[in-house]
Amino acid sequence: SQQGEEDPQALSIQEGENATMNCSYKTSINNLQWYRQNSGRGLVHLILIRSNEREKHSGRLRVTLDTSKKSSSLLITASRAADTASYFCATTRLNFGNEKLTFGTGTRLTIIP
Amino acid sequence: DAGVIQSPRHEVTEMGQEVTLRCKPISGHNSLFWYRQTMMRGLELLIYFNNNVPIDDSGMPEDRFSAKMPNASFSTLKIQPSEPRDSAVYFCASSLKGLGYTFGSGTRLTVV
Repeated sequence: SQQGEEDPQALSIQEGENATMNCSYKTSINNLQWYRQNSGRGLVHLILIRSNEREKHSGRLRVTLDTSKKSSSLLITASRAADTASYFCATTRLNFGNEKLTFGTGTRLTIIP
Repeated sequence: DAGVIQSPRHEVTEMGQEVTLRCKPISGHNSLFWYRQTMMRGLELLIYFNNNVPIDDSGMPEDRFSAKMPNASFSTLKIQPSEPRDSAVYFCASSLKGLGYTFGSGTRLTVV
C-alpha cells in the first residue's frame, strides 16, 4: 500500500514560476525523501529531510516537514522546462529500520516553455 | 561509478516462460531493493536485502516470484511462470544505510 499521497496528482505551470507539491503520510517516520522520475527512466534522489528537521534547501529546492500533520511539501523555484517530470515522496518508518522506503503516488509536473 | 546496472532494459516474453532480471548495485552499498512500477499500483517494494540477506519479502506478490543475492555485487529477480499481469517496469535500487537510494534504469517487462 502507498504510504504517501501526493497532491496534486498533476500540475502544469509556466516556465519561471514556482511549483509546489505536497505529500501526506500515515505513520511515524525516520525521514522523508523526494525523488524525481523522468519519463521512462529510473528515480533520482533529490533531497532527504529527517524527522527532527523542519526545512531543508538544496539549490532551487525547498522541502518542509510537519510531523504533527504528517505532511511535507516540495517547492521548486524558478522552474525550468527540464524540471518536467514526476515527483515522488518516500518515507522510512520508525521501528522498521532505516532501510525500507515506501513511495507515494507521485505528482506529474509539466513546465510550459 | 556506473551506478546501478540492470539488465535487460527490455524483455518481451510469452506467458508461462521464465524471466530473470539482473541487477548490479553500487559497490559499497549495503542494501538492495527490487521495486515494480505500474500505472495502476505505482511503485511497490517487492523485496529488499541487507548485506546480501533478504530482510523483507512481504511485497513479493506470490510464489512465482523469487529473488536472490548470492554476493554483494549481484542480484536476480525471477518470475516463473510469467503471466500477462506481471507486465511492468522493474527497478533495482541500492543504498548505504538508507540515506538516499540510487535507482537503476529499470527493466520493462512485457508478458504476452
